[in-house]
Amino acid sequence: DTGVSQNPRHKITKRGQNVTFRCDPISEHNRLYWYRQTLGQGPEFLTYFQNEAQLEKSRLLSDRFSAERPKGSFSTLEIQRTEQGDSAMYLCASSLRLGADTQYFGPGTRLTVL
Amino acid sequence: AQSVTQLGSHVSVSEGALVLLRCNYSSSVPPYLFWYVQYPNQGLQLLLKYTTGATLVKGINGFEAEFKKSETSFHLTKPSAHMSDAAEYFCAGAAYGNKLVFGAGTILRVKS
Repeated sequence: DTGVSQNPRHKITKRGQNVTFRCDPISEHNRLYWYRQTLGQGPEFLTYFQNEAQLEKSRLLSDRFSAERPKGSFSTLEIQRTEQGDSAMYLCASSLRLGADTQYFGPGTRLTVL
Repeated sequence: AQSVTQLGSHVSVSEGALVLLRCNYSSSVPPYLFWYVQYPNQGLQLLLKYTTGATLVKGINGFEAEFKKSETSFHLTKPSAHMSDAAEYFCAGAAYGNKLVFGAGTILRVKS
């Protein structure tokens, strides 16, 4: 069990550019979640996958955001035409089963949009 | 809609003193409740969770929390604070074990 990993850890980009983040969950975890955390706030849910199926998307996930989980393994979160308001920590978590199973979090990707 | 409220964005205690971090939830269904800790530039680590059964839940590092349905509370306590406990703590709830709804967090400061 190597834990949830996220890459890159930090990303600085200019407004209008596209960025992509990657999350590798704990192996055999079939649920994968994305959250966004802004300064002074708790994480907010963005979306989650059950294997390769994206089951729910938050209204926070505008049309500029897209997430994928091909083959039910790693996941990518892409933000198109970044805006300064997208600056935040993007957290990924995974869990093994349904129900109250623990979500294990990765270290996050900190995005700064200039 | 489910919501989680943490009372006090900053709490300061002396080393060796009792730690009490407050969390109240609002849910139309009995929730699953969690406490996570976040150290600077790191992800969230689970301290403890309540699902069903015993309402007093023990977690790692000497922390525990009690689920009180009548008060819709899930406060986190530790009898004796240690310098290494200084971090940000998040209470979270989940209905049917899906997405977590987090409180705004409480930064714990431990004074020597």
